[in-house]
Parts: sequence; structure tokens; C-alpha cells
Amino acid sequence: QITLKESGPTLVKPTQTLTLTCTLSGFSLSTSGVVVGWIRQPPGQALEWLALISWKDDKRYSPSLRSRLTITKDTSKEQVVLTMTDMDPVDTATYYCAHSLVEHQLVPFSRKYYDYYYSMDVWGQGTTVTVSS
Amino acid sequence: DIQMTQSPSSLSASVGDRVTITCRASQGIRNDLGWYQQRPGKAPERLIYAASSLQSGVPSRFSGGGSGTEFTLTISSLQPEDFATYYCLQHNSFPWTFGQGTKVEIK
Repeated sequence: QITLKESGPTLVKPTQTLTLTCTLSGFSLSTSGVVVGWIRQPPGQALEWLALISWKDDKRYSPSLRSRLTITKDTSKEQVVLTMTDMDPVDTATYYCAHSLVEHQLVPFSRKYYDYYYSMDVWGQGTTVTVSS
Repeated sequence: DIQMTQSPSSLSASVGDRVTITCRASQGIRNDLGWYQQRPGKAPERLIYAASSLQSGVPSRFSGGGSGTEFTLTISSLQPEDFATYYCLQHNSFPWTFGQGTKVEIK
């Protein structure tokens, strides 16, 4: 059974760096095709995709937050870490990590291949982060 | 970025009603779309993937349709546990983007 669990501080001060950890269970980031992503949700608002990392260390980021985000993996601990610098009260949100898959697919009518990422199927319970002085 | 526009933003319905939620993409995304249900205080759960494929374990009253730029999520007979907020997600190109959500409330 695939599960993910987020952990990190519940309160950070403005300008500080947030470090969140996603601990994986039931699957491994060493396995071909595995992807883990991060999503956040401010109170009462919609979901926002932040970043993802694949088994082969390919990374994708939200362009609007790219300068502040770093995603890494530690396969020995089966963890994915997201850091976000220069935190602001508008970053107050519940942060989720989620499982996904990537597949190397052939571009139709060509000899080229590309990485096709599937939507996130299993999510962690989320961790709430408040940014306040 | 691809914009995902969901409608309506909220709706009131009764148990047993048929409900349809629409998601429109600002450009074609083939069928690279998922639908998620989020109950209050809980993490989202995927209901539909690839626009129309039912996630394992999800009741058959949920169905998805569409391709390209227009997509629908239909609940054929609303049940008490279906009162929640629903989101679409496009994963055709980065950055992935969600719709703004549709809150389904009890009439």
C-alpha cells in the first residue's frame, strides 16, 4: 500500500526558509518511473502545484516560485525534501506531497521519445504551515 | 501556463440529483486531466484519470468525459458522502494547473 507523510515546522517567521519532508512507504524512489510531487493549498483557496522529482532525479518547478524552491530526494531514507526560501505570510498553507508516475513514450509519427507524467494518484495527509512573526 | 476554468464555482443539490461540473482548458490538453474530490479537512483523492478512466475503488456513479479543451465530471446520483469540493488538474504541460474548485453543497 502506497502512503506518503509530510512533516516539518508548523510555524515559520517571515524571511525564514521552510524545509518540508515527505516520507514514502510502500514504494521506492529508486524504482523506475516513480515520481513525487508537492502541492499546497492556502486556507479556503484552491490547490497549487509546486514541484516534482522523478526516480532519475528529473525536476520540474512552478515558474512563479522557481527562484525560491528546491526539491531533492534521499533514496536511502525514502524521503523527498522541499525547501522554500524567503517565506511570507501569503505562503501560509497546507502542503501536500503526492505519488505519480512517469513513462518514456514515443512521440506519434516520429522517432523521438519524451517523458509523460501521469497525474498524482495518492496523496499524503498534508502538513499545515503558518508564516507569522 | 495553461489556465483551467471550472464551472460552476459552487452548486446546491439534493441527494439523488445528477450533477455535472465542467472544466475548460485555455489550450488543448488531449485527455491529460484528472478529477479530485476533497472533503473538508482532508487531502484530495483522485476520482478520474486520463479524463474518463475511473480510479480503482471509486463508485461508478462518478464519470468523466471530454478531450482537448472541455471536460466534465458527472455524478449520476448524488450521495451524502459526495458533498465536497471537486478540482480538475491538467498534467499535459508544466506547470501543472488546477481549476479553482467546485463546492457541492446540500440543498
